[in-house]
Amino acid sequence: EAGVTQFPSHSVIEKGQTVTLRCDPISGHDNLYWYRRVMGKEIKFLLHFVKESKQDESGMPNNRFLAERTGGTYSTLKVQPAELEDSGVYFCASSPYPLDNEQFFGPGTRLTVL
Amino acid sequence: KQEVTQIPAALSVPEGENLVLNCSFTDSAIYNLQWFRQDPGKGLTSLLLIQSSQREQTSGRLNASLDKSSGRSTLYIAASQPGDSATYLCAVRNQGGKLIFGQGTELSVKP
Repeated sequence: EAGVTQFPSHSVIEKGQTVTLRCDPISGHDNLYWYRRVMGKEIKFLLHFVKESKQDESGMPNNRFLAERTGGTYSTLKVQPAELEDSGVYFCASSPYPLDNEQFFGPGTRLTVL
Repeated sequence: KQEVTQIPAALSVPEGENLVLNCSFTDSAIYNLQWFRQDPGKGLTSLLLIQSSQREQTSGRLNASLDKSSGRSTLYIAASQPGDSATYLCAVRNQGGKLIFGQGTELSVKP
């Protein structure tokens, strides 16, 4: 069974540009999460989808970040326009219903904003 | 507000030693606690999941315990090997699905 996949693995962009990160969860997992780790800090929650609906987006830093989950399958996280402080590693995780199942993480996308 | 702390931040041990990693959390109203390992440049690998009603979980040489009332969990690694070298992360889940992570313990096992 394929794990959580993320694309791209690494992205380098200039400040003010737009970047879109993609996550493909494990097939059949209703729950999809985005997290990120900025340099020197702990991993922090961004948002949670249940199928195609946003369940909790309390961790989204500001309105430059937009997440979608098309048809309850893969998800995208767009940053527009990117700022220097957006640099970090963005992780996606998925888990089956119900919520008390373990979360499985993807390899992450390393975003560098110059 | 839930806060998760992991001590020590880094640990270096000789091969074969048994070791304990510590995780503490400020709000005891957790639903579960998950331990992960992360290798450099890689994603997180789930090691053990302990539900709030459980006291411990075991997988091979790993044993994780949970004391909800005191806000603590430990990860015990028996007979450590160089391949155990990685960063170990503890994360708790309160209401909702989100995990709250500690900063991690960077473990180095010397041959």
